[in-house]
Amino acid sequence: DGGITQSPKYLFRKEGQNVTLSCEQNLNHDAMYWYRQDPGQGLRLIYYSQIVNDFQKGDIAEGYSVSREKKESFPLTVTSAQKNPTAFYLCASSIVPGPEKLFFGSGTQLSVL
Amino acid sequence: SQQGEEDPQALSIQEGENATMNCSYKTSINNLQWYRQNSGRGLVHLILIRSNEREKHSGRLRVTLDTSKKSSSLLITASRAADTASYFCATVPLRGAGNMLTFGGGTRLMVKP
Repeated sequence: DGGITQSPKYLFRKEGQNVTLSCEQNLNHDAMYWYRQDPGQGLRLIYYSQIVNDFQKGDIAEGYSVSREKKESFPLTVTSAQKNPTAFYLCASSIVPGPEKLFFGSGTQLSVL
Repeated sequence: SQQGEEDPQALSIQEGENATMNCSYKTSINNLQWYRQNSGRGLVHLILIRSNEREKHSGRLRVTLDTSKKSSSLLITASRAADTASYFCATVPLRGAGNMLTFGGGTRLMVKP
């Protein structure tokens, strides 16, 4: 089945630790995105990538980093510089940047121990 | 920054009734999209309406767009308990860096059986 796979579903971070959230898609989409969702809130854009080996900061990039070495993969690292990382993280992709329609993964819930 | 603002924030109705959710936005748009999110899951694309369209239908969904008022509405007719979810509007600006989607805060819909 085609789609976007996020892992893990739940992740716990210790103080001062970097953690990496995985996002893989087999839809052959060029563009990929990371969003953060706080309880009862909408989505805020962290980073996006329109093509392999290129990515741009979104509205809330501080404390996060990404890479796009392969078309199908767009991992997000939550660094120790992100002081309030507890949130639901959603990865998405689209055929072209624009976008006309986003396809979402099922999300990763990150909590701080 | 959140471009769209949904109203109401929460809505509770009986099965069989219609549900109407509104979205207002601030800047000129290329298109507006509606998404649905079941609790703890990713978002699912419902419908896209372009800036030159006024109304669009998809099954039990009806979306209207009023660019002069910078607002849109989503109507779900003959609601079912399975429609219980959060609904988000998202806009693609007419001009802007990367033409990224910006999401509103969402309307939480509860349909009682």
